[in-house]
Amino acid sequence: KQEVTQIPAALSVPEGENLVLNCSFTDSAIYNLQWFRQDPGKGLTSLLLIQSSQREQTSGRLNASLDKSSGRSTLYIAASQPGDSATYLCAVTRAGGSYIPTFGRGTSLIVHP
Amino acid sequence: NAGVTQTPKFRVLKTGQSMTLLCAQDMNHEYMYWYRQDPGMGLRLIHYSVGEGTTAKGEVPDGYNVSRLKKQNFLLGLESAAPSQTSVYFCASSQGRNQPQHFGDGTRLSIL
Repeated sequence: KQEVTQIPAALSVPEGENLVLNCSFTDSAIYNLQWFRQDPGKGLTSLLLIQSSQREQTSGRLNASLDKSSGRSTLYIAASQPGDSATYLCAVTRAGGSYIPTFGRGTSLIVHP
Repeated sequence: NAGVTQTPKFRVLKTGQSMTLLCAQDMNHEYMYWYRQDPGMGLRLIHYSVGEGTTAKGEVPDGYNVSRLKKQNFLLGLESAAPSQTSVYFCASSQGRNQPQHFGDGTRLSIL
């Protein structure tokens, strides 16, 4: 069974710092990996999707990398802002079978001015 | 552009009652999903659909039923609600398996 772990569980940083959030998974036979953000009381917003054949994706200040062999993905946030405060979740969809995504429990990020 | 709309936003039920949660998407997406989110458990897939008229079981399907009679709608039913089904329910849709999922704002369901 796929297990997804996100470290750290919580993070508080001053504005302007560059951040790295980690996501690890136990089964390297994946179809894709997605990073989401979730604001309090809201649904998830997709940030980046990395397909199995890709190594990284970039969108604005966000960069996500994927290393299937080591079972790891990182989300890099450049020049953090207070508006980046949210919970960040990764979801791994395993290849083959029913393609059910497995979510990590998230990293709660606070960026203070 | 509304995206994914969930109805209702909040509901309180008594044990044994039934109800239906409605999810509607206006993006012409083929795939739709129902998740539940519980503290300390993360999001777990209940059921999903890969197209109109199709449904499939997810990770935690017991106690729930679904229907996808129209492409834009995905209904989640609880036939006999139990306190263990107290949760926040999210609906999502995507154009395909390898496309980003778009989420609604959730339905907060309490069962007493």
